[in-house]
Amino acid sequence: LAKTTQPISMDSYEGQEVNITCSHNNIATNDYITWYQQFPSQGPRFIIQGYKTKVTNEVASLFIPADRKSSTLSLPRVSLSDTAVYYCLVGEYGGFKTIFGAGTRLFVKA
Amino acid sequence: ETGVTQTPRHLVMGMTNKKSLKCEQHLGHNAMYWYKQSAKKPLELMFVYNFKEQTENNSVPSRFSPECPNSSHLFLHLHTLQPEDSALYLCASSQDLGSGVTETQYFGPGTRLLVL
Repeated sequence: LAKTTQPISMDSYEGQEVNITCSHNNIATNDYITWYQQFPSQGPRFIIQGYKTKVTNEVASLFIPADRKSSTLSLPRVSLSDTAVYYCLVGEYGGFKTIFGAGTRLFVKA
Repeated sequence: ETGVTQTPRHLVMGMTNKKSLKCEQHLGHNAMYWYKQSAKKPLELMFVYNFKEQTENNSVPSRFSPECPNSSHLFLHLHTLQPEDSALYLCASSQDLGSGVTETQYFGPGTRLLVL
């Protein structure tokens, strides 16, 4: 299973765009990249998933370069409520055996 | 509200007690999971069930015993736990396994367990 590496923590201010990059050098051909968000004492919540290029939904965008060895989660105009831990996962084809790493703790300040 | 509920939300138990955690999903999913999240540690996958059959046991000690009577319910029976088992226990579900796309998992709010 591909290992992921993310920054341990990031600080931002309300209204700013936040980009969190995840490295996954050993990503396999059939792996998808998934991001989850977790608030304290709650379960993780799916944010976005992609395979290559760019994916956008109402919450975030996910940028994946051609070599797929990294990905960047982009949160537009963050608010205080976006303070959470963000996990990057690389999932096995047809798989459930995704491994949650340490995640990136994002702290949004007023 | 994710469609996955867990009870109880908080539990304190002694090392000689026996208790059970319950998870129920209202999403029509076929796969269910138990995770453990200790303080300042990543989530650890414990068990996976697909169509009521256990497909993964991630080397979990036998003092944790899962039960999946149907695709909507998942239990985790606890007995003779240790203080280091204190953690947030999370249940999740997904549509299926092996569909060709990494399955999005929907998590419950978790049970905060304290073992004294």
